[in-house]
Amino acid sequence: KAGVTQTPRYLIKTRGQQVTLSCSPISGHRSVSWYQQTPGQGLQFLFEYFSETQRNKGNFPGRFSGRQFSNSRSEMNVSTLELGDSALYLCASSLVRPNYEQYFGPGTRLTVT
Amino acid sequence: QQQVKQSPQSLIVQKGGISIINCAYENTAFDYFPWYQQFPGKGPALLIAIRPDVSEKKEGRFTISFNKSAKQFSLHIMDSQPGDSATYFCAASPTGGSEKLVFGKGTKLTVNP
Repeated sequence: KAGVTQTPRYLIKTRGQQVTLSCSPISGHRSVSWYQQTPGQGLQFLFEYFSETQRNKGNFPGRFSGRQFSNSRSEMNVSTLELGDSALYLCASSLVRPNYEQYFGPGTRLTVT
Repeated sequence: QQQVKQSPQSLIVQKGGISIINCAYENTAFDYFPWYQQFPGKGPALLIAIRPDVSEKKEGRFTISFNKSAKQFSLHIMDSQPGDSATYFCAASPTGGSEKLVFGKGTKLTVNP
């Protein structure tokens, strides 16, 4: 079974621009979560989608948004990029409880200049 | 606020030794505790996980010990190998209908040959 895939793997953007990241979950997984990883803050939960609905949201500004499609693929968008948005953005997919082991993709490394 | 505190920040162990990483949580509303291993440039990989109705779980050289009353759980790596050198994260999932994970800050493990 193929793992979680994320595109693109690397991205360089300028402050003020917007960016869209994509995630394809493991086949059969309907829950997709997004995390931001930085050296200072570690791994922080952004949001989780299940059946095209956002079920939970972390403590991030409204510039961070996401969506999920009917095939469970998900995208996250960051508008008006700031230097502090430079991070590794990770997507994880899972079945739902009680079998909710989360499997992570390789991440998208976003650099904002 | 839901938090997971992880220690130590870094750990150096000799080949063949035992690596021990500890985590503590402050909120009782967690019902799933996974550990992840992350190599540089890769996404976190699920290592082993435990639920609070179990006090210990072993998979190969990796063991999770769970103390519900003390709100603590730990990862033991027996016969540590240089290939185990990585960053390890503990996490906890709040009860409820979401697959959100709250992560510890990570422990960088170095196993010397």
